[in-house]
Amino acid sequence: EPEVTQTPSHQVTQMGQEVILRCVPISNHLYFYWYRQILGQKVEFLVSFYNNEISEKSEIFDDQFSVERPDGSNFTLKIRSTKLEDSAMYFCASSVTTTSLEYEAFFGQGTRLTVV
Amino acid sequence: DQQVKQNSPSLSVQEGRISILNCDYTNSMFDYFLWYKKYPAEGPTFLISISSIKDKNEDGRFTVFLNKSAKHLSLHIVPSQPGDSAVYFCAAQYNFNKFYFGSGTKLNVKP
Repeated sequence: EPEVTQTPSHQVTQMGQEVILRCVPISNHLYFYWYRQILGQKVEFLVSFYNNEISEKSEIFDDQFSVERPDGSNFTLKIRSTKLEDSAMYFCASSVTTTSLEYEAFFGQGTRLTVV
Repeated sequence: DQQVKQNSPSLSVQEGRISILNCDYTNSMFDYFLWYKKYPAEGPTFLISISSIKDKNEDGRFTVFLNKSAKHLSLHIVPSQPGDSAVYFCAAQYNFNKFYFGSGTKLNVKP
């Protein structure tokens, strides 16, 4: 079965440092997403991306965050200057293939970001 | 702004029986609905989806029903197995933008 892969599985970083979370979406999907889940809380939407541009973003996704699809296969989330409250599980998702009969949207297994 | 609601936080079912998980939504613009299974500290696992133009979709033991007039979605698991025990989330989407997730229902299938 196709899957969305995320690396690293766990990232520890110092407060104020930049981090890049990497995702490889399913190859023929067209829409890409980042979500996060702070421990014990709900899964929160960050951003959706289509046709090489952001299609929607939440209030969480401020100037410290950016996304990029640098090479047609990877989809990255960058946090420029991490804060303690950025510690969370970050999930990437992709959806919509022109070849499937049924709509599908798969999530990766997440990157646990710990800011110290 | 809770556009997708799962009013039952938990459900307990005997192995072999049917599990029915329910979800209600408020936004009539939603055009896709999805069900996910999730374990703690793991990503949501896609189970099944349904387009707003359908009222039923089946995939193996999983069937999703959509009642647009009632703005109600349900997932039926038949027969239920102990391995199905997890938290189940429904999600809704409009125009391929953000997924609106329900708060989840914890399913326990007893052997």
